[in-house]
Amino acid sequence: EDQVTQSPEALRLQEGESSSLNCSYTVSGLRGLFWYRQDPGKGPEFLFTLYSAGEEKEKERLKATLTKKESFLHITAPKPEDSATYLCAVQQGGKLIFGQGTELSVKP
Amino acid sequence: DAMVIQNPRYQVTQFGKPVTLSCSQTLNHNVMYWYQQKSSQAPKLLFHYYDKDFNNEADTPDNFQSRRPNTSFCFLDIRSPGLGDAAMYLCATSREGQGYEQYFGPGTRLTVT
Repeated sequence: EDQVTQSPEALRLQEGESSSLNCSYTVSGLRGLFWYRQDPGKGPEFLFTLYSAGEEKEKERLKATLTKKESFLHITAPKPEDSATYLCAVQQGGKLIFGQGTELSVKP
Repeated sequence: DAMVIQNPRYQVTQFGKPVTLSCSQTLNHNVMYWYQQKSSQAPKLLFHYYDKDFNNEADTPDNFQSRRPNTSFCFLDIRSPGLGDAAMYLCATSREGQGYEQYFGPGTRLTVT
């Protein structure tokens, strides 16, 4: 069964303290792995798509990487405005299978 | 700016009283999705339209129905809302052949009293 697992469930960082979020997946024939940011009471905001192992994408303080079994979202020198829930999803048959998300809190 | 719009943003309905949520998009995407998201949970796919082709998830209750009258609009109808249907309802769109990257609307928060 296709499955996406994110860890940790929650992460508290001090401003400037870099860290990584993990997304492990089991899916037959990966056709895309997606990262989204979701603020409370809002819809998910698209961040990145990764298609093949070794691929990396960056946006401001965020960098997403992909291996054959997992993806990492690296956050470098985070700021309080980076606080949100980060969702990982894999594409399967035109549909997304989501992980449970990592709730990130960055304190000033 | 091209976008996904949901109305209303907040909806309060009574137990058993039918309610309709709407979604429109200016992205000209051919695939539209409806998700239900409860607090601290991942979005759960209810159904999706691939052009006019309706695809229901196996575990979507019969209480939930959808209509897509044209490419731009999609509606979610809840025939007899129960207390367990209180949630955020998210609409998303994607385009076949572009990696199925989905773009979400802001959501409608449904409260059932």
